[in-house]
Amino acid sequence: NAGVTQTPKFQVLKTGQSMTLQCAQDMNHEYMSWYRQDPGMGLRLIHYSVGAGITDQGEVPNGYNVSRSTTEDFPLRLLSAAPSQTSVYFCASCVGFKFTDTQYFGPGTRLTVL
Amino acid sequence: AQSVAQPEDQVNVAEGNPLTVKCTYSVSGNPYLFWYVQYPNRGLQFLLKYITGDNLVKGSYGFEAEFNKSQTSFHLKKPSALVSDSALYFCAVRDPYGSSNTGKLIFGQGTTLQVKP
Repeated sequence: NAGVTQTPKFQVLKTGQSMTLQCAQDMNHEYMSWYRQDPGMGLRLIHYSVGAGITDQGEVPNGYNVSRSTTEDFPLRLLSAAPSQTSVYFCASCVGFKFTDTQYFGPGTRLTVL
Repeated sequence: AQSVAQPEDQVNVAEGNPLTVKCTYSVSGNPYLFWYVQYPNRGLQFLLKYITGDNLVKGSYGFEAEFNKSQTSFHLKKPSALVSDSALYFCAVRDPYGSSNTGKLIFGQGTTLQVKP
């Protein structure tokens, strides 16, 4: 049981490039989400999904796309990278949407945009 | 609106001494509270949660947390700190899901725990 996995661990992009951050979970969780962590701003929700084929926006969705074609995978796409997207990105998954359900986090992707 | 607060940016403690990391909360409805730990350059790891019942919740790595409804607090504790406990600790509560609510975790600002040998 690998839990939540993310690739790559580190990435450097130039402004305007696009890329996809991968996230997968093997716990058959319905709810998956992407956060970004920035100094002084805590963790902010980018996008989330409550099941295959269903996605929705979080607090800071601009510049990012997501899709959920399977229960296991929830990739995050940066369409045209900007320096403001330099951050640490965490994927999380959760069995459901109840207040008591625990969210489990991946190890993170550290992204630098030059 | 749900919120949690961690009043201390940093807590310093000597190895072998007890440690406490403070958290207070404001929620509508029943409080369901979580603690996570983030080691340097790592993801967030779940430590423990309070749902209902016993006010003392036991979690991973010897940590426990005390829920106090009258003081709206959920402090993280450990009887004897280790140098390896040095990390960033987050208290959290989950936003409701439905309507315009996302079901996201709402985090406190984090407390850095420094355990000195």
